[in-house]
Amino acid sequence: GNSVTQMEGPVTLSEEAFLTINCTYTATGYPSLFWYVQYPGEGLQLLLKATKADDKGSNKGFEATYRKETTSFHLEKGSVQVSDSAVYFCALRMDTGRRALTFGSGTRLQVQP
Amino acid sequence: DARVTQTPRHKVTEMGQEVTMRCQPILGHNTVFWYRQTMMQGLELLAYFRNRAPLDDSGMPKDRFSAEMPDATLATLKIQPSEPRDSAVYFCASGLVLGSGTYNEQFFGPGTRLTVL
Repeated sequence: GNSVTQMEGPVTLSEEAFLTINCTYTATGYPSLFWYVQYPGEGLQLLLKATKADDKGSNKGFEATYRKETTSFHLEKGSVQVSDSAVYFCALRMDTGRRALTFGSGTRLQVQP
Repeated sequence: DARVTQTPRHKVTEMGQEVTMRCQPILGHNTVFWYRQTMMQGLELLAYFRNRAPLDDSGMPKDRFSAEMPDATLATLKIQPSEPRDSAVYFCASGLVLGSGTYNEQFFGPGTRLTVL
């Protein structure tokens, strides 16, 4: 079946540091890939997405590139802020059949001033 | 500002009681998903509806859980009887599938935090 693997957290960084959160996937076929962010006490919000190989999703300074050859979709940001502290979920969705999201386990990011 | 709403936001109940969670999808969306989030299992799909019809509820324990969409503006998830292992955050999400098969993002509600004592 389909699955998503994320790096274990928490990830603790100082403000303005560079962020990478690794995500790899296993899927039969070519999924769409997503990063969602969950702030404390809130639901998930879509951060960015990519629907085909070599697509780059970007939003709010975050970027991720769909790499089919390495089945990866790593999240990066050049300079994190305290307000970026949250849990980040990588997810995939097949665009035929069941269109539910398959999520990774989530990575908690803590940014210190 | 269209958003998915869920009620209640928090629910504490005793084992054996019935629990009903409600979700109002974004107006015009034709797909609804129920997910459960726990520390141990992460985010899991419980049920999936399209045009109010259940297409997939394989993730749901059938003996105690039921999900319905009485109309296009309301989705319900019911647990009867509830058990302590049902304690989790339950999220509803909605989306739109177009006739061409194009599918937009899922938008999540704020969740219902359920505690079963």
